Amino acid sequence: DSGVTQTPKHLITATGQRVTLRCSPRSGDLSVYWYQQSLDQGLQFLIQYYNGEERAKGNILERFSAQQFPDLHSELNLSSLELGDSALYFCASSDRGDSYNEQFFGPGTRLTVL
Amino acid sequence: GNSVTQMEGPVTLSEEAFLTINCTYTATGYPSLFWYVQYPGEGLQLLLKATKADDKGSNKGFEATYRKETTSFHLEKGSVQVSDSAVYFCALSDSGGYQKVTFGTGTKLQVIP
Repeated sequence: DSGVTQTPKHLITATGQRVTLRCSPRSGDLSVYWYQQSLDQGLQFLIQYYNGEERAKGNILERFSAQQFPDLHSELNLSSLELGDSALYFCASSDRGDSYNEQFFGPGTRLTVL
Repeated sequence: GNSVTQMEGPVTLSEEAFLTINCTYTATGYPSLFWYVQYPGEGLQLLLKATKADDKGSNKGFEATYRKETTSFHLEKGSVQVSDSAVYFCALSDSGGYQKVTFGTGTKLQVIP
């Protein structure tokens, strides 16, 4: 158990819909990262937040947005969903935001878009 | 931009065999290098890391050495067990201060008794 929690575990929805994925980092960790894992794209970094502020951006679509709240939990919002958005979405956390730290991954949210 | 290239899997080995999973990278500056492991149905977890050239990371019998001259970070284990069956990801992290991590595509390892 990494200490990172993600809800829900599974999510099934239809094209065009909007969903919100939630992540609670390990106690004391200030950085939260979001990743998308799909069979054809592998593991893609989406976005990083540090203590409420966006710090790094990866391959995140404009239809996707994220935020980190004052209690440090984070939400990833996916809108106008397409079939290709079906994937496993991971959240990870670390105590700082620099290059050398280990990231602790949650168990993931499996999103299926029908 | 940064990139990580891993040998393609799946890799199938018999128990107690020697394991090598190749990883090479392209990066500017001096990245940190990581190996993460993903067991079935779970998230990734850090296996080992190295933060500068010639560093050797090791954990649970696995080792990898940061080779700047060959831009490589190959994962090795002398004697694999069935419990090592998992997907292994090589990754690098920007040296610029903020942790934008680039992952390889992952190599699936299956160890048979």
